[in-house]
Amino acid sequence: DAMVIQNPRYQVTQFGKPVTLSCSQTLNHNVMYWYQQKSSQAPKLLFHYYDKDFNNEADTPDNFQSRRPNTSFCFLDIRSPGLGDAAMYLCATSSRGGPSYNEQFFGPGTRLTVL
Amino acid sequence: AQSVAQPEDQVNVAEGNPLTVKCTYSVSGNPYLFWYVQYPNRGLQFLLKYITGDNLVKGSYGFEAEFNKSQTSFHLKKPSALVSDSALYFCAVRAVSGSARQLTFGSGTQLTVLP
Repeated sequence: DAMVIQNPRYQVTQFGKPVTLSCSQTLNHNVMYWYQQKSSQAPKLLFHYYDKDFNNEADTPDNFQSRRPNTSFCFLDIRSPGLGDAAMYLCATSSRGGPSYNEQFFGPGTRLTVL
Repeated sequence: AQSVAQPEDQVNVAEGNPLTVKCTYSVSGNPYLFWYVQYPNRGLQFLLKYITGDNLVKGSYGFEAEFNKSQTSFHLKKPSALVSDSALYFCAVRAVSGSARQLTFGSGTQLTVLP
């Protein structure tokens, strides 16, 4: 089945130690998103890629970076995690056209713990 | 700027009774509207969407939602609730026109169906 995959599902890191979360998709969607979700709050968009074009939200801290080496993969890099960065990180994809246009497909999320 | 309001943090309903989860929105122009459901430690799952056409939209798992333009509402409904429907529900909106591709989510409503 076509899907959005996130690895790992659970990640533990230490304060200040860089960490990378990964997302892959088999849907061949050209848009990929990263969201941060804390404590059952609304997901907060960090940035998104439209093909190779990177779009950063104005209030996303510089501590958060992203890479998209190809259509299928997208990475979230947290350069120096703080305790406040502990959250669920959700990856999502969407297509530019077709019957599922405008719908976002979410991965299962990676729960990040910062010690 | 677009926004979504889910006025109820928590909704409790008895199994077999009808349920309603409320959502109102604000957007420039016509909206695309979505409902997503989230189970604990999982990503968001798409339930249904309104793009255009019939105001009553039917989605997954017996859920439906009615688009009401005059009241700017998109309430989620189900005629007979199941215990397994207990989860966190998010309403989301994006504008039909404009370059913004991102969704704006409401704060979420925790639905508890009591046996």
